Amino acid sequence: AQSVSQHNHHVILSEAASLELGCNYSYGGTVNLFWYVQYPGQHLQLLLKYFSGDPLVKGIKGFEAEFIKSKFSFNLRKPSVQWSDTAEYFCAVTSGAAGNKLTFGGGTRVLVKP
Amino acid sequence: EPEVTQTPSHQVTQMGQEVILRCVPISNHLYFYWYRQILGQKVEFLVSFYNNEISEKSEIFDDQFSVERPDGSNFTLKIRSTKLEDSAMYFCASSEIGQGGDTQYFGPGTRLTVL
Repeated sequence: AQSVSQHNHHVILSEAASLELGCNYSYGGTVNLFWYVQYPGQHLQLLLKYFSGDPLVKGIKGFEAEFIKSKFSFNLRKPSVQWSDTAEYFCAVTSGAAGNKLTFGGGTRVLVKP
Repeated sequence: EPEVTQTPSHQVTQMGQEVILRCVPISNHLYFYWYRQILGQKVEFLVSFYNNEISEKSEIFDDQFSVERPDGSNFTLKIRSTKLEDSAMYFCASSEIGQGGDTQYFGPGTRLTVL
C-alpha cells in the first residue's frame, strides 16, 4: 500500500525566510503528486501538482516543488514567505495501482511570524 | 470560481443515531469522493463514486456507510448507526475526469461529533 510521510509537523519562521517542506512517498510505480494547502478557516486547496514532464513544478503564490524519483520525494519550496502563508500544508499522492484516491501525508503546520 | 459546498458545517449526534452529510460538488464534475480526518490523524480516503456507483472504497467504508446521489446536484454520505470513533471532519471532493493526475476540489468539511 502506498504511504506518504511529511517529516516536519510544525515549522515556525519569520517573514522573508525561505521555506522547504519535505515529502516522501512509498510506491514504486507511476505516481501523481500533489501539495494542498489549508489556510485557517478555509478548505483544502491545490497549490501545485506533478503528473508528468518537467519534475520542477511551479504553483500558485510563488510555491514550487521538485519531484525526485530516485529519492521518492516531492519537496515544497518557497524562497521568501509572507505572513499570509501561515497554513497547514499537505502532501498527497495518487498512483495507477490505487485508482484516483488521494493518500495524504500527516500535514505540516507552518506559522510565519510578521 | 465554482466551489464544493457541504452542509452542515457541524453536526452533533448521539451514538447509534443515523446522520446524513451533504455535499454539492462542482456542477460539471463527474467523480465524487468522501474523505475524513480524525483529530490529530491523517486525512483518509473513504469512497469514490462515479456514474451512480461506488468505484472504490477503503476498509473504513463498511456496511454502516453508504453514499448516494439523490438528484443532479447533491452527493450524500450516510452513517447508519454512529459510533464514538466516527467523530471526525468529513470532506467531500469532486473532480472532472477521475484520472490519477486530475485535481480533486475539496469542500470546507463537516465536523461530526458523536456523543
